[in-house]
Amino acid sequence: EAGVTQSPTHLIKTRGQQATLRCSPISGHTSVYWYQQALGLGLQFLLWYDEGEERNRGNFPPRFSGRQFPNYSSELNVNALELEDSALYLCASSLWGNEQFFGPGTRLTVL
Amino acid sequence: AQSVTQPDIHITVSEGASLELRCNYSYGATPYLFWYVQSPGQGLQLLLKYFSGDTLVQGIKGFEAEFKRSQSSFNLRKPSVHWSDAAEYFCAVGSMNYGGSQGNLIFGKGTKLSVKP
Repeated sequence: EAGVTQSPTHLIKTRGQQATLRCSPISGHTSVYWYQQALGLGLQFLLWYDEGEERNRGNFPPRFSGRQFPNYSSELNVNALELEDSALYLCASSLWGNEQFFGPGTRLTVL
Repeated sequence: AQSVTQPDIHITVSEGASLELRCNYSYGATPYLFWYVQSPGQGLQLLLKYFSGDTLVQGIKGFEAEFKRSQSSFNLRKPSVHWSDAAEYFCAVGSMNYGGSQGNLIFGKGTKLSVKP
């Protein structure tokens, strides 16, 4: 069974640009979560989607947004990139009420 | 406030020695508890989980953890560490109740494990 996949593996952008990160959940999972892992800040919750709707978001500005598609895949968009957005972005999927399984992450570097 | 504390930032153990990584949580609802492991530059792999029932849970790679409600702890243990166990370990707490769930996990800051030959 394929795990959670994320693309791209690495992404390099400059300040002010927009970044789009993608995630495909484990087959059958309806929930997708996004986390940011920045140096020194640990793992911070960004967004949770389930059945195509945003269910919860963490303490991040509105320039962090996303969506979930009918096939349950998801994308995370980060607008007006800032240097401090450089981080590993992790996607996880689950069936609501069960444990979360993580993908390998997308390393975003903002120059 | 909901939080997870991993008091040890970095631990070094000799190969073959026993290991215990500490985790304390503060959570208002019934906690569901997890341990994840992360190798450098990689995603997180679930080691084990506690939802209910037996407070001693077994996981993959020979790890186990014990839930102690009175101490708000969920410490991870392994009787004999292998060099391949060197990684960063994260304790997490969440609520998986339908309807009332916030969905997200709250993670500790992690404990980096180094293994001496």
